[in-house]
Amino acid sequence: KAGVTQTPRYLIKTRGQQVTLSCSPISGHRSVSWYQQTPGQGLQFLFEYFSETQRNKGNFPGRFSGRQFSNSRSEMNVSTLELGDSALYLCASSFVLAGGYNEQFFGPGTRLTVL
Amino acid sequence: QQQVKQSPQSLIVQKGGISIINCAYENTAFDYFPWYQQFPGKGPALLIAIRPDVSEKKEGRFTISFNKSAKQFSLHIMDSQPGDSATYFCAASKPETSGSRLTFGEGTQLTVNP
Repeated sequence: KAGVTQTPRYLIKTRGQQVTLSCSPISGHRSVSWYQQTPGQGLQFLFEYFSETQRNKGNFPGRFSGRQFSNSRSEMNVSTLELGDSALYLCASSFVLAGGYNEQFFGPGTRLTVL
Repeated sequence: QQQVKQSPQSLIVQKGGISIINCAYENTAFDYFPWYQQFPGKGPALLIAIRPDVSEKKEGRFTISFNKSAKQFSLHIMDSQPGDSATYFCAASKPETSGSRLTFGEGTQLTVNP
C-alpha cells in the first residue's frame, strides 16, 4: 500500500498570505489528522477529520481550518499567515485496529516558511 | 498543559549499548501509548505501541515497559546502532471513540556513536 502523501513538500509564503496544504491518506483509512511541528512547541495536534466531519480540534486560532473530501483526502488552510506559522505540517491517517484503538501513520510533511 | 513528559531531551550512547527513554503521563483516560522515530526531513514513523493491559512489549531490539500505577512508560533500545540515531517521541491517546488525537512528549534526540 502507498503511504500517506502530502503536497507540496516545501512552501514559502509571506506574512498575510494564505496557504492550502493537501494530504492523501493510506487507502482504506477514513481518519485524517493534522499536526504542527516546531522546535519550540514540538508536535501539536491541529484537528482530525473522519468521514468528512471534524471530530477533534486542538488549541489553534480560527485562522487554521481544514476539510475532508468524500475520498478521505484532506486539505488544511491557514489564512493571514504569521511568522510564527513557519513549521512542518504533518498529516496522519489512521485505521481502527481490533481492540478499538487507532494506529496513526504520518506523511513526510509540508515545510512551510513564512517570510 | 503538557500531559506527556519525556526525558531525557538528548541521549548519547555507544554502539552496542542500551538506550532508555522515559515518559510520564497525567491523564488516566489514555489507553494507547505509541513510540515514533523521526529522521531529519521525514515524518514520524510508528515504531512500537502498547496498551495498559500489558506491562511489556518487545519487537526485535525495541521494548516498551509500562507501569500503570506510576503512569510511566519507557522505550528500551537494545544493542543500539548508529542507524538508530534519530529523534524519538512517545505519545498517548484516548479510546478510539474519542478520535485519533495523539498527545506527544517533547522528543529525545538519540545519537549512537560508532
